[in-house]
Amino acid sequence: DQQVKQNSPSLSVQEGRISILNCDYTNSMFDYFLWYKKYPAEGPTFLISISSIKDKNEDGRFTVFLNKSAKHLSLHIVPSQPGDSAVYFCAARGSGSARQLTFGSGTQLTVLP
Amino acid sequence: NAGVMQNPRHLVRRRGQEARLRCSPMKGHSHVYWYRQLPEEGLKFMVYLQKENIIDESGMPKERFSAEFPKEGPSILRIQQVVRGDSAAYFCASSPEAGGGNQPQHFGDGTRLSIL
Repeated sequence: DQQVKQNSPSLSVQEGRISILNCDYTNSMFDYFLWYKKYPAEGPTFLISISSIKDKNEDGRFTVFLNKSAKHLSLHIVPSQPGDSAVYFCAARGSGSARQLTFGSGTQLTVLP
Repeated sequence: NAGVMQNPRHLVRRRGQEARLRCSPMKGHSHVYWYRQLPEEGLKFMVYLQKENIIDESGMPKERFSAEFPKEGPSILRIQQVVRGDSAAYFCASSPEAGGGNQPQHFGDGTRLSIL
């Protein structure tokens, strides 16, 4: 039962353009959503997060949008840079005792120079 | 990923041996999470610990796997009698408060476990 889904395994974007990564979830009890970036042979690095009570959070080139009614969130990167090429994971925090993160399967973003 | 230290980075074991993975959380963090990542998949939660306590081990297999976070020293994830299916990347994350609060979990660079 995949509670967090990233349906696009890969995305290619030209440098300077906008990258849009999408994520869908099924559990309405998730209260906090995060995006992590991961390079090969490294651990996930936190990028940006959003509380379920908000619909947008912006940090520099990164903006996360949350649509609770559609159970959908997206990460916008603009302008995209070659250094942004990595795997991006969407994660959601649950309401269990551990408040552990549930991850999507990731999207490989390639920014072409 | 400075701060959360995991060792070893790579570990090779033969079937039936034991694997011990270590994690030192970021300074000031007393909450530790272990996740496992299989190839082409996202990270899956295994266990959540505070100092000397296992809080939630709902994601950990019932047999052969155990975890601890002693008062002194790193958190240890122990896998006994390893099998080929245990081959994966194991990530540790830490946070300063339960569930991360408004702070994200910070991850180490993982231990890549390979079973021959």
